[in-house]
Amino acid sequence: AAGVIQSPRHLIKEKRETATLKCYPIPRHDTVYWYQQGPGQDPQFLISFYEKMQSDKGSIPDRFSAQQFSDYHSELNMSSLELGDSALYFCASSPQGPGANVLTFGAGSRLTVL
Amino acid sequence: SQQGEEDPQALSIQEGENATMNCSYKTSINNLQWYRQNSGRGLVHLILIRSNEREKHSGRLRVTLDTSKKSSSLLITASRAADTASYFCAAFYKLSFGAGTTVTVRA
Repeated sequence: AAGVIQSPRHLIKEKRETATLKCYPIPRHDTVYWYQQGPGQDPQFLISFYEKMQSDKGSIPDRFSAQQFSDYHSELNMSSLELGDSALYFCASSPQGPGANVLTFGAGSRLTVL
Repeated sequence: SQQGEEDPQALSIQEGENATMNCSYKTSINNLQWYRQNSGRGLVHLILIRSNEREKHSGRLRVTLDTSKKSSSLLITASRAADTASYFCAAFYKLSFGAGTTVTVRA
C-alpha cells in the first residue's frame, strides 16, 4: 500500500540558508500535517492543510511557510535557517479533513543546519 | 495546551511482562489516539478510542479512557523486544503529542 512519501530524507544546510521539504500524502488523503521533532524531544505540531487551505497552525516559526498544492502534496519552506532548526520533520496525512481521523506518518526528513 | 502528557517518561521491563503507561489531557476530546515511534522513525498509529468508549482492545494492546478524569492508559501485554519504542498519546483536536513514554523491553 502507498504510504506518505517525504523528500529529501536527509538535508544538510548552512545557517541562514533556505530549505524546502516535500510531502506526498496517501492517495485520497486530503489533509496534511507537519511536525518538527528535535533531538530527544516530542513531535511538535507546526501546521496542517485541508483541501489546500491552512486548517490549523501550531508552533511554526514566522521564518517557515507551507502550502498544499492542487495534487495535495505539500511543501514546507524554511528560510534563514538557524542551528536550532536541526530536527526531524515529519509529514502526516489523513482522509476526510482534520479531527477524528488517524494520521499516517512519513519516514521523516532529517535537517541538519551547520 | 490540549496535548497529552504521558507518565511514566521511561519504563524498563523484562520480556514477557506487561507495560502500562498513562496519559492525561486537559480539554474535551472526540477521541484519543496512541502512537508508537521507533528511534528516528515516523510515528505509527496503534489504536484510537472514542470519547464514548471506555475500553478498547487490539491484539496485545488494551486502552482505557476515563473522560471524567481526562486520562487514558495503554497496556501492552506479554511484551516483546520489538515493543521497545516511544509511545505517545494524542488528544485531538489540536493534534499535539506529549513527551511520550520510552519503553525498553529487556530480553
